Amino acid sequence: DIQMTQSPSTLSASVGDRVTITCRASQNISNWLAWCQQKPGKAPKLLIYKASNLDRGVPSRFSGRGSGTEFTLSISSLQPDDFATYYCQQYNGYIWTFGQGTKVDVK
Amino acid sequence: QVQLVQSGAEVAKPGASVKVSCKTFGYSFNNYYVHWVRQAPGQGLEWMGRINPKSGATNYAQTFQGRVSMTRDTSITTAFMELSSLRSDDTAVYYCAVWSGYNWFDPWGQGTLVTVSS
Repeated sequence: DIQMTQSPSTLSASVGDRVTITCRASQNISNWLAWCQQKPGKAPKLLIYKASNLDRGVPSRFSGRGSGTEFTLSISSLQPDDFATYYCQQYNGYIWTFGQGTKVDVK
Repeated sequence: QVQLVQSGAEVAKPGASVKVSCKTFGYSFNNYYVHWVRQAPGQGLEWMGRINPKSGATNYAQTFQGRVSMTRDTSITTAFMELSSLRSDDTAVYYCAVWSGYNWFDPWGQGTLVTVSS
């Protein structure tokens, strides 16, 4: 199965900061990558699909880039509602995998 | 409006099996894969596998091969996930989710807590 490695595991930031999370795939997944946000006790919510496409209703401060094996999720100006855990997820082929997650907490 | 309603919490003994259901509403059940994702306490998301409701074809993560079975009943638009030979590290919240072809339907199922304890 394809392995997804996120960095950092934890990111401490302040409201208004620009933050970037990296996700690396163990093999080429083209642009078959999604980013999800999860808050404690809740199911995940999709932010971005196909590496760079914002899902409906997702604020424009979120953006995704990359292809092949290296991808990033950026938040241009962190808002209070954005403190959460973020996961990348590859969907290249029949077997999918998630990254281990990046927790964005208050600095 | 899409709704995924899962069965209630389960407590099971090591070595036993558990079967979780996911009743779906508000979309054409046969047309979209149902996926199962689990999350152990304080841990990340783990993709378990998926089922094509129309054909019944399945794909499973290697970690679960031989221990998981995903089935469906199209007459009641419900998907099932059965995990056998349970261990304590199978204690987790199990979610069902539906992929549209380019994104996840929102919301996912509410999650089912499975606790494995003697």
